[in-house]
Amino acid sequence: GQNIDQPTEMTATEGAIVQINCTYQTSGFNGLFWYQQHAGEAPTFLSYNVLDGLEEKGRFSSFLSRSKGYSYLLLKELQMKDSASYLCAVQDSNYQLIWGAGTKLIIKP
Amino acid sequence: GAVVSQHPSWVICKSGTSVKIECRSLDFQATTMFWYRQFPKQSLMLMATSNEGSKATYEQGVEKDKFLINHASLTLSTLTVTSAHPEDSSFYICSAGEGTDYNEQFFGPGTRLTVL
Repeated sequence: GQNIDQPTEMTATEGAIVQINCTYQTSGFNGLFWYQQHAGEAPTFLSYNVLDGLEEKGRFSSFLSRSKGYSYLLLKELQMKDSASYLCAVQDSNYQLIWGAGTKLIIKP
Repeated sequence: GAVVSQHPSWVICKSGTSVKIECRSLDFQATTMFWYRQFPKQSLMLMATSNEGSKATYEQGVEKDKFLINHASLTLSTLTVTSAHPEDSSFYICSAGEGTDYNEQFFGPGTRLTVL
């Protein structure tokens, strides 16, 4: 079966750095996405990785290792507004998105 | 970037009535649209994949006669929840892919349905 694993909840301090991990087992691979979702809102796109390595975009970076079925989202200089759920999703061989359950990130002052 | 809209943003209806939710791609043609349902504190659950001009493909466990999907044009897909019941209360989100190599899905803002 297809499976995406990520931690349920993480807590970090404002100004610090946090890494949210995601491991996956899917039928084929056509890319991995990270989305941010605030409570009551639709997800918003953060990053897309299809090749191994690190993609940096401002305070957010995303890393992918296809051989290990592993990705992480790195958030730097955390701000209170970063408190949200972070969803990892993998596009399988049929280009269908397989979603993780999401990681709720709590930022404390 | 590409914009997807949904209407209505929220709706409250009585049990037994039907509710239609619209999903529009505003500045691109969406060959494929996806309908998701999200219960509180849970991840997105794909309900169906909608292709313009053809029947939708429903995920296992989703009743196609209850959740009617119509993708009549390249910019509009509709989801109709027929004979809604309180257990259908949820956050319904659509997303749209551009072209056939839809590496990124663009999400609508979602519709919160409450069935009394």
